Amino acid sequence: DQQVKQNSPSLSVQEGRISILNCDYTNSMFDYFLWYKKYPAEGPTFLISISSIKDKNEDGRFTVFLNKSAKHLSLHIVPSQPGDSAVYFCAASRVGNTPLVFGKGTRLSVIA
Amino acid sequence: KAGVTQTPRYLIKTRGQQVTLSCSPISGHRSVSWYQQTPGQGLQFLFEYFSETQRNKGNFPGRFSGRQFSNSRSEMNVSTLELGDSALYLCASSSPERGLQETQYFGPGTRLLVL
Repeated sequence: DQQVKQNSPSLSVQEGRISILNCDYTNSMFDYFLWYKKYPAEGPTFLISISSIKDKNEDGRFTVFLNKSAKHLSLHIVPSQPGDSAVYFCAASRVGNTPLVFGKGTRLSVIA
Repeated sequence: KAGVTQTPRYLIKTRGQQVTLSCSPISGHRSVSWYQQTPGQGLQFLFEYFSETQRNKGNFPGRFSGRQFSNSRSEMNVSTLELGDSALYLCASSSPERGLQETQYFGPGTRLLVL
């Protein structure tokens, strides 16, 4: 039973355009959501998070949107840069309970 | 601050052996979590330690165990290694002082290959 799903295994985007990565979850108890970026042979790097009391959080070129009714979140990267090419993981957790539940990742390729 | 460190970075073992991996959290972080990453299953939670006590446990067999020391450093041990234990093992630390919603910061991982 996959509680966090990233249905697109890969995404290609032109440099300078917007990258939109999507994530769906099934457990309505999740209330904290995170995005991590991962390069091969390295650990995931924290990018941005959002609490369920918000519907949007921005940090520079990265914006995360949360739609609680649809149990859906998305990560927008604007403008996309070649250095953004990596695997992006969506993760979710519950307040007071730290284990992160991860999606299987989306490989983003930003083409120059 | 220095990030999460893990040793060793790479390890080759044979079936039936045991292995111990080490993790040093970010200074001041008292929670350490371990995850296994494989191509087929993605990132899966193994266990979490806080103040030397196991606080959460994932759905892994008893061959996987861990502990945490008073300085928050953590080790995980896998006994009687199987081929399917080949994976990237990731350690993450977090700080409860930041509030209930804790962001976990990951180390570079230990790549284990079981032959």
